[in-house]
Amino acid sequence: EPEVTQTPSHQVTQMGQEVILRCVPISNHLYFYWYRQILGQKVEFLVSFYNNEISEKSEIFDDQFSVERPDGSNFTLKIRSTKLEDSAMYFCASSVQPGETQYFGPGTRLLVL
Amino acid sequence: GIQVEQSPPDLILQEGANSTLRCNFSDSVNNLQWFHQNPWGQLINLFYIPSGTKQNGRLSATTVATERYSLLYISSSQTTDSGVYFCAAYYNTDKLIFGTGTRLQVFP
Repeated sequence: EPEVTQTPSHQVTQMGQEVILRCVPISNHLYFYWYRQILGQKVEFLVSFYNNEISEKSEIFDDQFSVERPDGSNFTLKIRSTKLEDSAMYFCASSVQPGETQYFGPGTRLLVL
Repeated sequence: GIQVEQSPPDLILQEGANSTLRCNFSDSVNNLQWFHQNPWGQLINLFYIPSGTKQNGRLSATTVATERYSLLYISSSQTTDSGVYFCAAYYNTDKLIFGTGTRLQVFP
């Protein structure tokens, strides 16, 4: 069964550094998402992306965050200057259409020191 | 804002027991998903269930959209069922709004 993959599985970085989290969505899916989960809390929506554009973003997704689909398979989340409070699990998801089943990747656990 | 609430927040069971997890949502939903977050943090899709009832092995789910709730039933629980169960809803947008989760612990 096709699945969403994410790399790296874990990343440790120093405050102020840039990080790029990578995702490969399911190949025939057209809608892509990033969510995050701070330890012990619920999963929160960050951004959705379709047709090479952001279609919706949350208030968490400020100017420090950006997303890109650099080629036909990868979908990336960049955090420009990490803060301690960016430490979380970041999930990528994809769906065929909005409102249909979203399939989640295994997550990248980011720790900012 | 839109609220998705789950109960109970914590549930402790002995292996073999049955349980019902509840998800209430504050407004009409377009669709609803149930997930199991395993101890490694992975979110596993269980059901996509905007309405009606679905079954998959020992798990089943029912969504009554008009009354704004969904139920997840786990029968004959096993230790591998342990983890956090989340429901998540769509409201006329393409983002999922997650509930607060139910943490399930199943002991042998």
